[in-house]
Amino acid sequence: TQLLEQSPQFLSIQEGENLTVYCNSSSVFSSLQWYRQEPGEGPVLLVTVVTGGEVKKLKRLTFQFGDARKDSSLHITAAQPGDTGLYLCACNQFYFGTGTSLTVIP
Amino acid sequence: DAGITQSPRHKVTETGTPVTLRCHQTENHRYMYWYRQDPGHGLRLIHYSYGVKDTDKGEVSDGYSVSRSKTEDFLLTLESATSSQTSVYFCAISESKGEGNQPQHFGDGTRLSIL
Repeated sequence: TQLLEQSPQFLSIQEGENLTVYCNSSSVFSSLQWYRQEPGEGPVLLVTVVTGGEVKKLKRLTFQFGDARKDSSLHITAAQPGDTGLYLCACNQFYFGTGTSLTVIP
Repeated sequence: DAGITQSPRHKVTETGTPVTLRCHQTENHRYMYWYRQDPGHGLRLIHYSYGVKDTDKGEVSDGYSVSRSKTEDFLLTLESATSSQTSVYFCAISESKGEGNQPQHFGDGTRLSIL
């Protein structure tokens, strides 16, 4: 049983489009982290969200933590090829979702 | 980038042989972790360490052992490798355990194939 479910599993879009990926669970978390992983490399932390309803922005990336702290979303505006990668959510330090593999086509 | 070096980066070996993977850090972080990454499963914790000679099991620890004799080195050993242990292995470090703003920094992984 996966503690964190991410959707969609795969996403392929054209450059300039917007997208949202989701991280859901039946458990409540005190914080949740988002990582991005590029091929041949380890994951790199993008953001940590700790407060229910919190919204954080990182350039064209917007992260939201659900009010009940059971889910989170990542929205990318005007996607670029450099956004291509595997996006992972993680909670309680050790538990990672299965990831969303994003491909942005030039 | 955090100073984390994994070695080897690639290894092919046969079923039944022992395998040791090494993680070396230059950050003097207390916590070190070993994960495996498989399609459809994401990253799963194998073992972690919270200090020299202090280790604990993770979600998928069966068939693996670890040792940490120095702050900077964390070794992962497969005593008798099986094909199910074919995976990409990642080492990570963090200053402290716990939630909130305590990011993990990852190495670039070791691709292990067991034939």
